[in-house]
Amino acid sequence: DIQMTQSPSFLSASVGDRVTINCKASQNINKYLNWYQQKLGEAPKRLIYNTNNLQTGIPSRFSGSGSGTDYTLTISSLQPEDFATYFCLQHNSFPLTFGSGTKLEIK
Amino acid sequence: QIQLVQSGPELKKPGESVKISCKASGYTFTDYAMHWVKQAPGKGLKWMGWINTYTGKPTYADDFKGRFVFSLEASASTANLQISNLKNEDTATYFCWGVIIRAPFDYWGQGVMVTVSS
Repeated sequence: DIQMTQSPSFLSASVGDRVTINCKASQNINKYLNWYQQKLGEAPKRLIYNTNNLQTGIPSRFSGSGSGTDYTLTISSLQPEDFATYFCLQHNSFPLTFGSGTKLEIK
Repeated sequence: QIQLVQSGPELKKPGESVKISCKASGYTFTDYAMHWVKQAPGKGLKWMGWINTYTGKPTYADDFKGRFVFSLEASASTANLQISNLKNEDTATYFCWGVIIRAPFDYWGQGVMVTVSS
């Protein structure tokens, strides 16, 4: 199984900050990496698919990059509604595996 | 619009069984796979497997082989998850997830909280 190591686990930031969240795969996942946002009590919502494709309706302040084993989600200017937990998902091979999550909190 | 609506919360005792439903609307049910994801309280997401909504063939992740069954009522655009011989560690929220993973189609049910307690 491909292991996804996500960092940091917690991130404290202010409105307007630029933040990055990282995922490292245990092997090459060929850019088959999605990013999700989850708010408390809600289902996950996809932000990015296949490393750098913005899901329809997602603001352009969200972007993704990476290749091989290393991937990054960037939020260019944090908005109040962005404080949530973020997960990466590798879909290069079954079983699909998620990162452990990054909880983004208001500083 | 596209929606996945799941059944309500469940409180069960160890050893009992539970069946969760997920009703899809707004799209052709058999066009897109249905996946299931487990989220234990305060924890991350764990992929359980998926069912081919056209053929009905299920595929289970290793940790979900044996007591877990994915099924369909295709005429009702509904996918089901049944868990038998419930254990305390099955306490979690279970999401259905209609998705083409490598394309923009990605829709989640609201989740069903299953609590297993004696």
